[in-house]
Formats: sequence, C-alpha cells, structure tokens
Amino acid sequence: SYELTQPLSVSVALGQTARITCGGNNIVSKNVQWYQQKPGQAPVLVIYRDSNRPSGIPERFSGSNSGNTATLIISRAQVGDEADYYCQVWDSSIDVVFGGGTKLTVL
Amino acid sequence: QVQLVESGGGVVQPGKSLRLSCAASGLIFSAYGMHWVRQAPGKGLEWVALISFDGSNERYVDSVEGRFTISRDNSKNMVYLQMNSLRPEDTAVYYCAKDSSEYGDYVGAFDIWGRGTMVTVSS
Repeated sequence: SYELTQPLSVSVALGQTARITCGGNNIVSKNVQWYQQKPGQAPVLVIYRDSNRPSGIPERFSGSNSGNTATLIISRAQVGDEADYYCQVWDSSIDVVFGGGTKLTVL
Repeated sequence: QVQLVESGGGVVQPGKSLRLSCAASGLIFSAYGMHWVRQAPGKGLEWVALISFDGSNERYVDSVEGRFTISRDNSKNMVYLQMNSLRPEDTAVYYCAKDSSEYGDYVGAFDIWGRGTMVTVSS
C-alpha cells in the first residue's frame, strides 16, 4: 500500500512562512492535493494538482512537488490559517490516499 | 452554488446496517464522480469509496470492501452509502465529496464537501 507521511505539527510565527511537507515514494509522479480543515468544519480544498489554487483561495497558499516530497507553503501566515492540513493523492493502483494530517499553529 | 447535504447518520449496534444519503444541488450531478470520506473522532481523513459519474465504476478502501456499497441516482442528484455489518471502528463523521474531474475516468481533487453526518457504532 502507498503511504503519505506528514509531520504531526508545524509552528510558524505570525507573518512568516509555513512549510508543511508530505512524503511519499516518488510522489512527484502523482498529482497532490491539499485540504485545510478547521475545528468542527468540513475540509476545504486549498491546492490541487501540486500547485494550483481554487478560486477564492488566497495567493499566500502555494504548493510544490519534487522527488519524494510535496510541500504546502503558506506565506505571511495569519491566525486564521490555524487548522489541520491534509495532503492527498490518487492513482489507479492505490486508489485515494490521505496523509495523516498536520496541525498548523501560528504563534 | 454547489451544495452537498448528507443525512442518515445515527447510533447503531454492531452488526447492524445504516444507509447514508447525500443530496447534491447547483451542479450537473451526472458529470462528476462522487466520494465518501470519513473521519473518526480526533483522527485524520480516510477515503471510503468512490463511484464514477455514470455509476459504472466503484472502488472501496480495503477495510469496508464487501460490507459497504456506494450507489447513485442521477435522476435525483443523490449518492448513497449502504453500510452493513457495522463495527465500532466504523464510528466516524462521514463526508460526501464531489470529484473535480468532469466525465473523467480518473480521480481529481475533492473540490466540494458536505458538512458530514455522524455514525456511531456502539452497543
């Protein structure tokens, strides 16, 4: 089976840049999505196909994917960005896989 | 706007069955694959099942294969999850999610989510 590994938690100072990683074997060969989930709410798609932002998502959110690691980058972090973040991939041999999630804290 | 509304959750004893429903509005429902994703209390997201836009293809996570069945009715803009032989470990919030891929034979992003319905399996 295919596994996606995320850090349990990431902290970032207010206004600085947060980087949340998602590790997987040759993940560069897959499209990676990122979801933001605030307490008591449904997940929201923030990045699709590695680095694309849906409409309504701030430009401060960006993504990259290389080798065995995909990264969600949140620039100029705000208190409102505090949430759990999940990466997700699919291919026909593994179906859909989510990472374990990362709790982002803005200090 | 596009909206997904789940229903059918509740408390059920182990071994029993439950059927979840998801009503979609604001989209050409028959063009998109649909998914069920669950989240156990305090845990992460787990994909459960998908059904293709026309209902011709279904896929399941191993832990529910043979117990759960996903289906859809494009005439009613509805997707369902029939859950049989429920176990305590099936306790979770179940989300319905739309796939971004239009008439696709692949999975895109989960671009629209419902608010979820809670399923508790307990004696």
